[in-house]
Amino acid sequence: GENVEQHPSTLSVQEGDSAVIKCTYSDSASNYFPWYKQELGKRPQLIIDIRSNVGEKKDQRIAVTLNKTAKHFSLHITETQPEDSAVYFCAASKAGGFKTIFGAGTRLFVKA
Amino acid sequence: KAGVTQTPRYLIKTRGQQVTLSCSPISGHRSVSWYQQTPGQGLQFLFEYFSETQRNKGNFPGRFSGRQFSNSRSEMNVSTLELGDSALYLCASSQMTGLAKNIQYFGAGTRLSVL
Repeated sequence: GENVEQHPSTLSVQEGDSAVIKCTYSDSASNYFPWYKQELGKRPQLIIDIRSNVGEKKDQRIAVTLNKTAKHFSLHITETQPEDSAVYFCAASKAGGFKTIFGAGTRLFVKA
Repeated sequence: KAGVTQTPRYLIKTRGQQVTLSCSPISGHRSVSWYQQTPGQGLQFLFEYFSETQRNKGNFPGRFSGRQFSNSRSEMNVSTLELGDSALYLCASSQMTGLAKNIQYFGAGTRLSVL
């Protein structure tokens, strides 16, 4: 069945360093890949997304890359700040599909 | 616009009981999805409703059910509760925009504890 694997489960970086979170999806028909951030005690919120016709998308310190052939996509956060500390979820869905499959999440700690 | 509202926020039940959770989507959103969140398991998809119809279902036992009303509000029911059902239950609404985007707007969740 559809599955999204996410690594690592925990990531600790020093403030100012970069952080990379990687995901792999199983359904080759998936064409929309959002990333959600969930701060402690809060609801998940969309931070960036990418569609399958694009290989890379950037929004300030956050970027997402997609390799459709390998069915991999990644989140890159540069110049990390303490407020980036949260759980990050990758997800995949497909046009006409009515469900979004989420990865297990990555807990990011940014040490000041 | 008001966000997604879930009630109640917290619930304590005992094994064998049943529970009903409620979700009011953002005005104009017709799709409502439900997720179970547990530590280490991420967000597990339960089901999705659109125009009062369940269009997709995750891999959960039949004890988990839901419905959607004509005003797009949705309820989720869990019967014969088990200890393992303790989790945060999140609902999310979506406008189902074109261009194949299905952005999920989440509620704050209902934290269910089964004793």
